[in-house]
Amino acid sequence: GAVVSQHPSRVICKSGTSVKIECRSLDFQATTMFWYRQFPKKSLMLMATSNEGSKATYEQGVEKDKFLINHASLTLSTLTVTSAHPEDSSFYICSASPSGILDEQYFGPGTRLTVT
Amino acid sequence: SQQGEEDPQALSIQEGENATMNCSYKTSINNLQWYRQNSGRGLVHLILIRSNEREKHSGRLRVTLDTSKKSSSLLITASRAADTASYFCATDAGYGNKLVFGAGTILRVKS
Repeated sequence: GAVVSQHPSRVICKSGTSVKIECRSLDFQATTMFWYRQFPKKSLMLMATSNEGSKATYEQGVEKDKFLINHASLTLSTLTVTSAHPEDSSFYICSASPSGILDEQYFGPGTRLTVT
Repeated sequence: SQQGEEDPQALSIQEGENATMNCSYKTSINNLQWYRQNSGRGLVHLILIRSNEREKHSGRLRVTLDTSKKSSSLLITASRAADTASYFCATDAGYGNKLVFGAGTILRVKS
């Protein structure tokens, strides 16, 4: 089956620093990847849609300069949380949609970010 | 925005019992999907039901969709302790392949 990986699985960083999270589709090409944020015991909130070779589309209320997304290849999208603050602490999950198959999304295992 | 509302928010049952979770949504959809999430993990896709389907089965899972009421239900039969997880519905909400997730139901199956 289609596998999506995320790296790192957990990261702790200090306030003011930046942290990069990678999302990779391991056995398929993904034109589109999605980034979600999840607070404890809450649902997933879509942050942005990442399209290979073009700028990401951000959801309302998500700061594009705060959450930088780069989708440089058909198998890799990165989310960089810039100048992180404690309120950015969260579980970040990516998903990837196989090129040409709109109904399917495969989710990564998530990255737990803690900002101290 | 989150358009799916799930009920109940939490459900605790004994092993062997059936678990029913409901999901309501607000806009027209092309399909509705159910996902499972173990604590602190990613999502696992369970089942997709299209807007022109009323019922779908997969193993111990049964999903129904009522587009007139804008609601769906997920039934897990003969539950097992390993079914303990959070369950989310997600709709495409007409946005192509963007998904809008419901609030989720936390299911606990006691052995």
